[in-house]
Amino acid sequence: AQSVTQPDIHITVSEGASLELRCNYSYGATPYLFWYVQSPGQGLQLLLKYFSGDTLVQGIKGFEAEFKRSQSSFNLRKPSVHWSDAAEYFCAVVLTGGGNKLTFGTGTQLKVEL
Amino acid sequence: DTGVSQDPRHKITKRGQNVTFRCDPISEHNRLYWYRQTLGQGPEFLTYFQNEAQLEKSRLLSDRFSAERPKGSFSTLEIQRTEQGDSAMYLCASSAKTGNGETQYFGPGTRLLVL
Repeated sequence: AQSVTQPDIHITVSEGASLELRCNYSYGATPYLFWYVQSPGQGLQLLLKYFSGDTLVQGIKGFEAEFKRSQSSFNLRKPSVHWSDAAEYFCAVVLTGGGNKLTFGTGTQLKVEL
Repeated sequence: DTGVSQDPRHKITKRGQNVTFRCDPISEHNRLYWYRQTLGQGPEFLTYFQNEAQLEKSRLLSDRFSAERPKGSFSTLEIQRTEQGDSAMYLCASSAKTGNGETQYFGPGTRLLVL
């Protein structure tokens, strides 16, 4: 079955430490890939996206993500986390040529220790 | 602010009542999406419009749910005879196709609690 997996439900990092959030997808073709962030009680804000081309994409707030076709992964990274990064992070995909709806992972809750 | 807006932000209702939510997309966006998000889960697709045409509906959208986008601008999502299982955050997103892909921008959501 087609799916998006975020294996880490909760992650805790210290402020200033590096961060990597994992995302794997299970599709026959390469989908369009997105990372969104959600603060409590709020909607989703787009961090970055991958459609094609350079597999390392830069986003807002100092985030980047790397698409690895061989691993069906699109992991999100940040070299130095700030306390304000505490939120829930969702990986999402759109299957190319298969409609326009986003399919989301279950999310990773990030806690930042001061 | 020219982002996606949703109204109301919060709604508490009693089981069996009808509720209606509104979404105003970004003005130049011709596509509009509705998603539902329950606690601890990612959003799940409900339905989407291109202009005023409803092009896809999820199996999650039971007969009690209806969505409209009458003039291709704002959209409404109505839930009839609400059930406690309808309690969730209802998210609206809009997009416009550019180049080889499209990006959906989300509103703040409407949180529904059915008592």
